[in-house]
Amino acid sequence: NAGVTQTPKFQVLKTGQSMTLQCAQDMNHEYMSWYRQDPGMGLRLIHYSVGAGITDQGEVPNGYNVSRSTTEDFPLRLLSAAPSQTSVYFCASARGVAKNIQYFGAGTRLSVL
Amino acid sequence: DQQVKQNSPSLSVQEGRISILNCDYTNSMFDYFLWYKKYPAEGPTFLISISSIKDKNEDGRFTVFLNKSAKHLSLHIVPSQPGDSAVYFCAAPREYGNKLVFGAGTILRVKS
Repeated sequence: NAGVTQTPKFQVLKTGQSMTLQCAQDMNHEYMSWYRQDPGMGLRLIHYSVGAGITDQGEVPNGYNVSRSTTEDFPLRLLSAAPSQTSVYFCASARGVAKNIQYFGAGTRLSVL
Repeated sequence: DQQVKQNSPSLSVQEGRISILNCDYTNSMFDYFLWYKKYPAEGPTFLISISSIKDKNEDGRFTVFLNKSAKHLSLHIVPSQPGDSAVYFCAAPREYGNKLVFGAGTILRVKS
């Protein structure tokens, strides 16, 4: 049972480069979210989705884009990476009836030089 | 504006004793709270939750207490075990949907 799968696990980018963090879940969950974790700040919501084709912004959306073309996949795109985006990124999914009990992937550690 | 606050960055407890992790919140509209546990190199996992209509919820060794008048909740772990060593996050849903607001986390170390 894979649950929530994030790739890659580690990534180093140069300032200005673009990349996509992948997230896939096999639990048929309606809700999916992206968070970033920074020291002393807990997890902060970047973008979220309540179903295929529906996305919205969280607390810290600037510099990130998302799309949700299928129930399973929720990629996060960095269009022009900045050092401030150095962080650990977590993807999560949840069922509609228990949307606050979120299942997290193992994370992607991103460094932007 | 940090709506959920965990003011203790770390806590060290002897095996077998009680661990008490604290969380304060500022938004009186919060009506549901969750605790997540995180091991290094893994994602957070759900541990226990409580609705604002209750003041206590228990699940095995884990109990969460809610004091609405003080806007405070706490997680008690009794007895503490070395495998409980992890980062614990307090969280609350904001508005509708799956928008969780997390505290900064508390690192718990249980010494054997």
